[in-house]
Amino acid sequence: EVQLVESGGGLVQPGRSLRLSCTASGFTFGDYAMSWVRQAPGKGLEWVGFIRSKAYGGTTEYAASVKGRFTISRDDSKSIASLQMNSLKTEDTAVYYCTRAPDYADYVWFDPWGQGTLVTVSS
Amino acid sequence: IQLTQSPSLLSASVGDRVTITCRASQGISSYLAWYQKKPGKAPKLLIYAASTLQSGVPSRFSGSGSGTEFTLTISSLQPEDFATYYCQQLNSYPFTFGPGTKVDIK
Repeated sequence: EVQLVESGGGLVQPGRSLRLSCTASGFTFGDYAMSWVRQAPGKGLEWVGFIRSKAYGGTTEYAASVKGRFTISRDDSKSIASLQMNSLKTEDTAVYYCTRAPDYADYVWFDPWGQGTLVTVSS
Repeated sequence: IQLTQSPSLLSASVGDRVTITCRASQGISSYLAWYQKKPGKAPKLLIYAASTLQSGVPSRFSGSGSGTEFTLTISSLQPEDFATYYCQQLNSYPFTFGPGTKVDIK
C-alpha cells in the first residue's frame, strides 16, 4: 500500500525554525517528485513547493510566499522528503500535507496525500 | 496563473447533477486536476489531465475542458460527495489551486 506519513509539526514562535518530514512507503520513492501543500485554518489549499526526482535533476520550485524561507530536500535512501521552514510567520500556521507526483508522465497530478501535520506559529 | 471557481457555494440534494467551473487566467492546455477535500481529511485526487478519472474514483465524477475553461460534473450527487472541491493548474510553476467550491446539503 502506498503511504505517506508527515511528522514534525507543532507549536513554534515567530521567527523560529521547524523541519517537517514525510516518510514514504509502498513505492520506489526515488522515481517520483514530491510536493508540499498547506491549508491554513478556514482557508483553501495552497501549494508550497516541489522537488523533482534525481533523474530530473532533483530541482526545486517554491511559492512566492515561502521562497527564501522554506527549503525542500529528499533522502532517497530513507524514502523521506523534508520541508525546512525558517523565519516562520504567524501566517504560516496551517496543516501541511506532503504528496507524490509522477516525474515521468506528460501530465502531473498529486496522489496520494499524507494525513497532514499541524504547524502553529504563535508567541 | 490565477484560477477562479464558480460557484463558491453550491447547495444541492442527493441525486442532483452538479457542475463546477474552473477558469484559468491564461491557457493551460489540459494541465488541470480536481481534488475533493473533507474537513480533517487529506485531499483526494478525482481527475487529472482535465478529464482522466483517477483509478478507484466513482464514474459519476467527470471532467472536461481545455485551455482556460474546465468543468467538474457529478452526475448524481451522493451523500459522501458533500465536500469542498478544488481545481489545480499544473501547467507552470507555481502550481496554483482554485479557491474551492463547497457543496453542501440543500
